[in-house]
Amino acid sequence: DAMVIQNPRYQVTQFGKPVTLSCSQTLNHNVMYWYQQKSSQAPKLLFHYYDKDFNNEADTPDNFQSRRPNTSFCFLDIRSPGLGDAAMYLCATSRGDAGTEAFFGQGTRLTVV
Amino acid sequence: KNEVEQSPQNLTAQEGEFITINCSYSVGISALHWLQQHPGGGIVSLFMLSSGKKKHGRLIATINIQEKHSSLHITASHPRDSAVYICAAHGGATNKLIFGTGTLLAVQP
Repeated sequence: DAMVIQNPRYQVTQFGKPVTLSCSQTLNHNVMYWYQQKSSQAPKLLFHYYDKDFNNEADTPDNFQSRRPNTSFCFLDIRSPGLGDAAMYLCATSRGDAGTEAFFGQGTRLTVV
Repeated sequence: KNEVEQSPQNLTAQEGEFITINCSYSVGISALHWLQQHPGGGIVSLFMLSSGKKKHGRLIATINIQEKHSSLHITASHPRDSAVYICAAHGGATNKLIFGTGTLLAVQP
């Protein structure tokens, strides 16, 4: 059974229309990560939560926000998607202790039209 | 300079060849992950290493903590091994998971 689930797998949104991507986990992991991956590039960390502590990467645009209402769920909100935000968005989790494995969702492919 | 570097970026091999992908990192880590991503697909974790060597089927991963270097080896490569292989360093102090640039492997029959 999938332990890190991202919904939806594919999302099409209009230019400028807010969109929310969802990630849920059944592992009770402390840390949840959101990554953006553009074609032929490595995933780029946008932000991560350690429990309720939010850690934003310095170069993450303000257009990207995140919420973690509880341990199991984490959301990525894109307030005004631009064409350049079209990408695969990956969610990952880890327990947060030293030397623990990370688990990945299947990703959400976002298309902006 | 990326904190996690991989080489080569692209690799083409003939079926049956022994393959090595290298990863070097410049940050302190608690663990290093080797991941596999098929085109358009999600990411699958192959190994997590904090020391030594691990083997799973035809895949072997090693890490040298002193040299800050890890390698992924594929023995008797097969076309179904064709994918992007990514190493990701898990920074112990920061909890960040930092990805390398990936190696695109194509195994030809």
